[in-house]
Amino acid sequence: KAGVTQTPRYLIKTRGQQVTLSCSPISGHRSVSWYQQTPGQGLQFLFEYFSETQRNKGNFPGRFSGRQFSNSRSEMNVSTLELGDSALYLCASSEGNSYEQYFGPGTRLTVT
Amino acid sequence: GIQVEQSPPDLILQEGANSTLRCNFSDSVNNLQWFHQNPWGQLINLFYIPSGTKQNGRLSATTVATERYSLLYISSSQTTDSGVYFCAVDRGGYNKLIFGAGTRLAVHP
Repeated sequence: KAGVTQTPRYLIKTRGQQVTLSCSPISGHRSVSWYQQTPGQGLQFLFEYFSETQRNKGNFPGRFSGRQFSNSRSEMNVSTLELGDSALYLCASSEGNSYEQYFGPGTRLTVT
Repeated sequence: GIQVEQSPPDLILQEGANSTLRCNFSDSVNNLQWFHQNPWGQLINLFYIPSGTKQNGRLSATTVATERYSLLYISSSQTTDSGVYFCAVDRGGYNKLIFGAGTRLAVHP
């Protein structure tokens, strides 16, 4: 099976812009979780989607949003970008609750 | 919320040495995973081990759920083992992994 894929891999945006990141899970996986990794805060959970429903959300402002499509692909959106949003954004997919999660290669976002 | 602590934070080894990485967590968990993050940032799955012991080549892991800790053993380390090792747990069952701060391992030839 193909692994988790994320696009784009690298992105440079200007403060105030918005950005959309995409994640395609492993075939058959219905859960997609998103994480942010920064040097200061480490790896933090953003949100999780299962069958197009957001089931869990981390402590991030409303500028961070996401959605999941019927084919389980997921997107996350960050509006009104701030310098502090510069990070590696990782998505992971899983077959179900508390099953093993598999991560994509990540999208490295730089906000200038 | 649940706390995950990893030790040591940094580890320097000579090639061929053995090491033990520790992960303590503050509450019962449904899922525990060990990852190796490569230089490009990808998290590589090492073990899915909410309890018990598993081995994969030179790596093995043990989770003692009742005492809330997990250990990752690396034997005969190689330079390719260098990188950051993360422990992550999921308590609530909705695939929300809480990560420790990681152990940064450097293996020198």
